[in-house]
Amino acid sequence: NAGVTQTPKFRVLKTGQSMTLLCAQDMNHEYMYWYRQDPGMGLRLIHYSVGEGTTAKGEVPDGYNVSRLKKQNFLLGLESAAPSQTSVYFCASSFSPGIFGGADTQYFGPGTRLTVL
Amino acid sequence: GENVEQHPSTLSVQEGDSAVIKCTYSDSASNYFPWYKQELGKRPQLIIDIRSNVGEKKDQRIAVTLNKTAKHFSLHITETQPEDSAVYFCAAGLAAGNKLTFGGGTRVLVKP
Repeated sequence: NAGVTQTPKFRVLKTGQSMTLLCAQDMNHEYMYWYRQDPGMGLRLIHYSVGEGTTAKGEVPDGYNVSRLKKQNFLLGLESAAPSQTSVYFCASSFSPGIFGGADTQYFGPGTRLTVL
Repeated sequence: GENVEQHPSTLSVQEGDSAVIKCTYSDSASNYFPWYKQELGKRPQLIIDIRSNVGEKKDQRIAVTLNKTAKHFSLHITETQPEDSAVYFCAAGLAAGNKLTFGGGTRVLVKP
């Protein structure tokens, strides 16, 4: 049981390049999330998904796109990378909140450190 | 939307002393309050959580308290040890979308 995994672990891009970050979970979670973490700041939600084929915007969605074609995978895309997107990106997953009648625990992947030059 | 404020941003304590981190939230609909510990270069890991129908929860040296009326919750670590040194994040969760809003984090340093 690997939990939540992310690939790649590190990546350096030039301004204007594109890339896709992959998140996979084997816990049969319905919900998945992408966050970014910048120095001295907490985690900020980029996009999330409440089930296969669904996506929704979070707090800081501009410049990113996501797709959830399979329940276990959640992809984050940068179409034209900018230096402001230099950050550590974390994926997380959770059960749907209905199971316990309220919001539920999110489990995080190991992160991807992205540098945009 | 929800706003979570966390204080202090840094906390230095002597080994064996207690550490207290406080958070406030703005949305009265929030009903889930987890605390995550993040060591340098690692992922955030859940250490304890509390739901809105409970006022206090304890797990060995860690305890959380929740005051729904005042919209604040706190993390208490007793008998601190060097391995407690890390960044701690509080969060407030809404059932809709199961979204968490995180505080800015507290860097805790436990001095031997």
